[in-house]
Amino acid sequence: QVQLQESGPGLVKPSQTLSLTCTVSGDSIISGSYYWSWIRQPAGKGLEWLGRIHTSGTTYYNPSLKGRVTMSIDTSWNQFALKLSSVTATDTAIYYCARDSSWRSFDSWGQGTQVTVSS
Amino acid sequence: QSVLTQPPSVSGAPGQRVTISCTGGTSNIGAGYDVHWYQQLPGTAPKLLIYGHSNRPSGVPDRFSASTSGTSASLAITGLQAEDEADYYCQSYDRSLSESRVFGGGTKLTVL
Repeated sequence: QVQLQESGPGLVKPSQTLSLTCTVSGDSIISGSYYWSWIRQPAGKGLEWLGRIHTSGTTYYNPSLKGRVTMSIDTSWNQFALKLSSVTATDTAIYYCARDSSWRSFDSWGQGTQVTVSS
Repeated sequence: QSVLTQPPSVSGAPGQRVTISCTGGTSNIGAGYDVHWYQQLPGTAPKLLIYGHSNRPSGVPDRFSASTSGTSASLAITGLQAEDEADYYCQSYDRSLSESRVFGGGTKLTVL
């Protein structure tokens, strides 16, 4: 059973870059040739897909983020990462990492990590 | 503004059947792309409930089912139980948005 765990700073200042890491355990990140996604949820609101990365390094990002997002993957550490630049208060949310299955669904999720953008 | 539209809330009494709709368009559900459903209990991460229109992951009771028609999909829950009270989200793929995954805005199910 694959498990995912997000980690990173819980507080980021406006205009700075938000950086999070997702550690995958229970299976190798390269097995199954999955995509790995980031999804966020502002308090009391719905889910927003941010983007996904393949073990090959191929990425797809949500166009609404207008080039602020970058994802990377480190197969030796079984991790993938999210960077979101020029953050504002509207980027305050719970950030989830998830496995993007061959069905284009998210079949495993991390528990989520709260990130607050504030000075 | 979500790409997929869901009602903000639905409710039902224990034992009843409820449905939650998810309306998209011709670039997502209407194009034949799979619709998936998630259950999010309070304070927890979403959990995959239905994938590929109507498949249930192991452990999901058969009280949960889904269907798709045209540009819409729906989730049905029969024999409603108190533990079903949660937020439910639909999700699909949209070919017009750079290979994006798209979500509905979510529906709060209240068990009366």
